[in-house]
Amino acid sequence: EDKVVQSPLSLVVHEGDTVTLNCSYEVTNFRSLLWYKQEKKAPTFLFMLTSSGIEKKSGRLSSILDKKELSSILNITATQTGDSAIYLCAVVDTGNQFYFGTGTSLTVIP
Amino acid sequence: GAVVSQHPSRVICKSGTSVKIECRSLDFQATTMFWYRQFPKQSLMLMATSNEGSKATYEQGVEKDKFLINHASLTLSTLTVTSAHPEDSSFYICSARGRGTDTQYFGPGTRLTVL
Repeated sequence: EDKVVQSPLSLVVHEGDTVTLNCSYEVTNFRSLLWYKQEKKAPTFLFMLTSSGIEKKSGRLSSILDKKELSSILNITATQTGDSAIYLCAVVDTGNQFYFGTGTSLTVIP
Repeated sequence: GAVVSQHPSRVICKSGTSVKIECRSLDFQATTMFWYRQFPKQSLMLMATSNEGSKATYEQGVEKDKFLINHASLTLSTLTVTSAHPEDSSFYICSARGRGTDTQYFGPGTRLTVL
């Protein structure tokens, strides 16, 4: 059964801390892994990863894929209260089927 | 874990026809279901939110007469694209949420192609 598992389920940190969110997957015919940030409405796209070992970076956020370990991490450095959200990981297979994790709820306190 | 299914996974239809997409929560009661549409560059747009037994709440800019949403039971919501046109071709994803929780469980998506 194809699935995506995220950990931890929830996380509370202080502003300025660095956090690492994990996503592991068991998906046949993997095509890409996506990270989203969900606050209010629709999830906001963050990164798409297709190749192992290549870090994607955007400001204080970065992510990398490890196809050997079937996992990805999302790092957020110098966290701010505005980073509080649910972070979703999704894997897309070659048939364009999405497999979402249940998300990691991040709370950043001042 | 909770599972949400969508049917069909792919559909191709002619312009002017209507297409119904089903979203089912397989092992929990979904008091709220959400319908999203995927746009280029992987972005997702929330189309509407539906609560079981009541009318769906549509986001601004989404035509409620064109995208009919029904949430008739705690395990099933349907999205009907009426009089589909090529510009409606997209990837539609649903998610479901149970009572008293913030966690959304996403379906695998439905690829709609309108010729």
